[in-house]
This record gives sequence, C-alpha cells and structure tokens, in this order.
Amino acid sequence: AQKITQTQPGMFVQEKEAVTLDCTYDTSDPSYGLFWYKQPSSGEMIFLIYQGSYDQQNATEGRYSLNFQKARKSANLVISATQLGDSAMYFCHWGGGSQGNLIFGKGTKLSVKP
Amino acid sequence: EAQVTQNPRYLITVTGKKLTVTCSQNMNHEYMSWYRQDPGLGLRQIYYSMNVEVTDKGDVPEGYKVSRKEKRNFPLILESPSPNQTSLYFCASSTRQEPLSYNEQFFGPGTRLTVL
Repeated sequence: AQKITQTQPGMFVQEKEAVTLDCTYDTSDPSYGLFWYKQPSSGEMIFLIYQGSYDQQNATEGRYSLNFQKARKSANLVISATQLGDSAMYFCHWGGGSQGNLIFGKGTKLSVKP
Repeated sequence: EAQVTQNPRYLITVTGKKLTVTCSQNMNHEYMSWYRQDPGLGLRQIYYSMNVEVTDKGDVPEGYKVSRKEKRNFPLILESPSPNQTSLYFCASSTRQEPLSYNEQFFGPGTRLTVL
C-alpha cells in the first residue's frame, strides 16, 4: 500500500528566508504524481505544485520548487523568500497507479516569523 | 467559474439522524473523492469515484455511503451519524491523465460537521 510521510509536524522560519518541507513516499507503482497543497487558517485547500514520476526536471512554480529525488522516494517542497502569508498547513499528496486511492501526508504546520 | 461546491458548509446534528452532504462540480471531471480531515491525521480518503456508477472505498469508509448517478454530483451519506464522525469534510474532483496518473484535485470549501 502507498504511504506518505511528513516528518515535521511544525516548523518555524524567519520571514524572507527559504524553508524546506520534507515528504517521503512509498510506492511500487511506476507512474504517479506528487502534489503539494497549502491550507491557510481559512480552511481552503490550495494546489501549489505537481511533479510527475517521469518528469526529468524538478518542478517549479514561482517561489515554490519541488526537490524530487526518485531513488530516495522523496519530494520535498522548497519555499524561497518566505512571506507572512505562507504561514499555513502544507500537505504532500500522492496520486497514481491503477487504483483511485489517493494518499495525503499528515501535514506540516509552517509558521513564518516577522 | 470552475468550482466544486459543497452543502451545507456547517452542520450540527444528533447521533443517528441521517444526513447527506452534497458535492457538485462543473468541470466535467471523471474523478471525485471525499476526504475527512482531523487534527494530526491529515486528510483521509473516505470514498472515491472513477466515473459515473463506479465507486470504491478509500481508507476510512465505515459509516459512510456514496453514489455517483451523474458525473457532476457525488453526495456523501451518513445513515446513522455518530460523534466520531465529527470532522471537516472535503469533496474534490480531478481529471485523470494517462498513463494512470492524476492531475491536481480541485477541492470544495469544506463542510464542518458536528455530531452530538
């Protein structure tokens, strides 16, 4: 069965610094996608970035980048130049294979300090 | 506007009183899913549907039912709610891409359910 692990329940970062949120996964499926979502205190789920298992390059979206290490089965989210508005819960998410059972990690609560 | 809608947004009910949370998407997505979110546990999948009339259990299906009679709608039914089903519920939808991978999910705004 697929499994997603986010080992950091909570993190603090100084405003304007970069931060890395860890995510490891366990799967035997050859084709899959890894996603990161942000959930601010208002509760909505916001899609941030996607990495496909066959993508040759690491995904980037503005200040967000994904450090994808397939052999190590890790897909860490890097947020550069953090802002106060980045304070939120962040969820790593796996989707793929022939089944529709999609898996989320337990999340990391990021707090950005002014 | 492309969106996933859920109703109601907030619901307080009592043990054993049947309820339905509706979910509708206007993006013609094949895949729809229900999740519950509890502190410290992240989002856990309850049921999902790959297409009309095709549904399957996720990780925590006990106490829930779903149906997918139309592509746009995927209601979640609690036949006899219990206090341990107090949670924040999200509906989501997405397209699927081949080979056997997924696009991003679009989430509804969430339904906060309290069962007394």
